[in-house]
Formats: sequence, structure tokens, C-alpha cells
Amino acid sequence: AQTVTQSQPEMSVQEAETVTLSCTYDTSENNYYLFWYKQPPSRQMILVIRQEAYKQQNATENRFSVNFQKAAKSFSLKISDSQLGDTAMYFCAFMKQDDKIIFGKGTRLHILP
Amino acid sequence: EPEVTQTPSHQVTQMGQEVILRCVPISNHLYFYWYRQILGQKVEFLVSFYNNEISEKSEIFDDQFSVERPDGSNFTLKIRSTKLEDSAMYFCASSLAGASTDTQYFGPGTRLTVL
Repeated sequence: AQTVTQSQPEMSVQEAETVTLSCTYDTSENNYYLFWYKQPPSRQMILVIRQEAYKQQNATENRFSVNFQKAAKSFSLKISDSQLGDTAMYFCAFMKQDDKIIFGKGTRLHILP
Repeated sequence: EPEVTQTPSHQVTQMGQEVILRCVPISNHLYFYWYRQILGQKVEFLVSFYNNEISEKSEIFDDQFSVERPDGSNFTLKIRSTKLEDSAMYFCASSLAGASTDTQYFGPGTRLTVL
């Protein structure tokens, strides 16, 4: 069975700093997808970034980028130039093709003014 | 940009009552999902639905739960006799079929409170 582990329950950084959220996963699959979702206080689930396992190049979306290490089964999220609006719960997630998403327990990120 | 919508945003019900949570997936999507998040916990998969039938369900999705796509646009989750522990945020999600477009897009959620 697949598992997703986020080892940092809570983090705080100053505005404009760079922060990295850690995620590891366990699977025997070769083809899969990895995601980071953001959940602000409104509790809506917002897709931040997505990575296909067959792609070696790390995904980037503006200030958000990932460090995908397939052999190590690691998928960390880097937020550059952090903003107050980045304050949220961040969930790392794994999905086999056309299958359900398995979420980690989340990391609560506080951006401090 | 197309989005998944859910109604109501907040539902309060008495224990033992039936509730129906409604979702309108993105119009050309073919796979539909329900997830649940109990306050302070992680998001958990409930059920997936494709081609008018359940593809997979978790152990949470017992006989009290059912899903339906009654009219080709709505996707509903029914809880027949609610329990206190059903209080949670319920998220609907949808995705396109196919290997290249497997992102699941989530709705804003329905907060269910069982009293």
C-alpha cells in the first residue's frame, strides 16, 4: 500500500524568505503522480503543483518548485519569496494513474510579517 | 476557468437524519470522487465513480453511504442515517480520463455538522 509522510507538522518563516516542506512516500509503482495541495483557513483544497513520476525535470509554478528524487522517494516543495497569503496547511499527495489520491498529514505553514 | 462546485457550503443536521451533499464536476470530466476531512486530520478517500458505477471505495464508505449521478451533471453523496462522527468537511473532485490529464480538481467542500 502507498503511504505519504510529512515529517514537519508545523513551520514558521519570515515573509520574503524561502521555505522547504518535506515529503516522502512509499510505493512499488513506477508510474504515478505527486501533488502539493494548499488548504488555507477557508479549507478549500487548491492544487499548487503537480509532478509526473516519468518526468525527470522538477516542476515549477512561479514561486513554487519541487525537488523530486524518485530513487529516494522524496518530493519536497520550495516556496521562494514567501508571502503572507502562503499561510496555509500544505498537503503532499500521491496518486497512481486513474486512482484515488493518498494524502499526507499535512504541514501547517505560518508566514510571519 | 471551469471549476467544481459544491452545495451547500455548510449543512447542519440532527443525528439519524439523511443528508445529501451535491457536487457539479467540471463538465467534460469522467472520473468523480468524494473525500472527507475530519477537523484537524488528513483528507481521506471515500469513493471513486466512473461510467455510472463505483470504481473503488474505502472502508469508511459503508452501507450508510451512497453516491449517484442522477442527471448527467450532478454527483451526489448521500448519508442515510448520520452519526456524530460523520461531522467533517466533504470534498468532491473530478478528473479527465487518460494518462496525461490525471489531475483531480477539488470543489470548495461542504462542511457537515451532525448534532
